[in-house]
Amino acid sequence: AQKVTQAQTEISVVEKEDVTLDCVYETRDTTYYLFWYKQPPSGELVFLIRRNSFDEQNEISGRYSWNFQKSTSSFNFTITASQVVDSAVYFCALTPRLDGANNLFFGTGTRLTVIP
Amino acid sequence: DGGITQSPKYLFRKEGQNVTLSCEQNLNHDAMYWYRQDPGQGLRLIYYSQIVNDFQKGDIAEGYSVSREKKESFPLTVTSAQKNPTAFYLCATALGNSYEQYFGPGTRLTVT
Repeated sequence: AQKVTQAQTEISVVEKEDVTLDCVYETRDTTYYLFWYKQPPSGELVFLIRRNSFDEQNEISGRYSWNFQKSTSSFNFTITASQVVDSAVYFCALTPRLDGANNLFFGTGTRLTVIP
Repeated sequence: DGGITQSPKYLFRKEGQNVTLSCEQNLNHDAMYWYRQDPGQGLRLIYYSQIVNDFQKGDIAEGYSVSREKKESFPLTVTSAQKNPTAFYLCATALGNSYEQYFGPGTRLTVT
C-alpha cells in the first residue's frame, strides 16, 4: 500500500523567511518516484520536481531545494527567502515504479501563506 | 500552443442530471487521468487511460464514466449515481514512459 503524509496543514511565514514543507511516505516497493506539485489559487497543479528512489542527492533549483532521505522515508521541500508568489498549496506525491498505470498517490497538501 | 484544456471552468447542475466534463490535450501524451479534489484533501484518482479505447477504474470510480475514443480527448461523465458530485475535477496527462503528470486548469462542478 502507498501512503503520503503531509502533517503540516497550514504554514504562515513572513516574506523573506525560509520555510520547509515536510513529506513522509510509505511504500513497500523498492523502486518509486516522488514528486512535488504546487497549486496556486487558480487551481492548476504545477509540476515542480520528480525524484527517483535510487537517487538520494539533494537538489536545488533557484530558491527551491529538496532533501530526500530514504532512511526516514522523507522528501522535504525548502523555499529560501520566501516571496508572496510562493503562497499556494503544495502537494507531495508518490508513484511506485511497478505500477504500470503510473498512478500518483497524493498527500493532503500544505497550504503556505507568505505574508508581505 | 501545447497544453491541456478543460472546459468549462465552472459548471452548475441540478441534482439528478448527468454532466460531462471535457479534457483535451495536444501534447501527444498517451496516458490521461481524472482526479477529484475536495476541500482539505489531496487528489483522488477516478479513472485513467493509457491508450485509446482502453481505460481503468481508479480509487473512486463509482458514479463516474469515461471514454477514450481519441488520443486527444478523455471526457468524464458525472452520473446521477454519484452521491456527492460537487468538487473540483482535474484532468492530467503523461507520456507513456515518463512519470510526470501535467495537469489542466480544472473544472469546478457544483450540483444543487
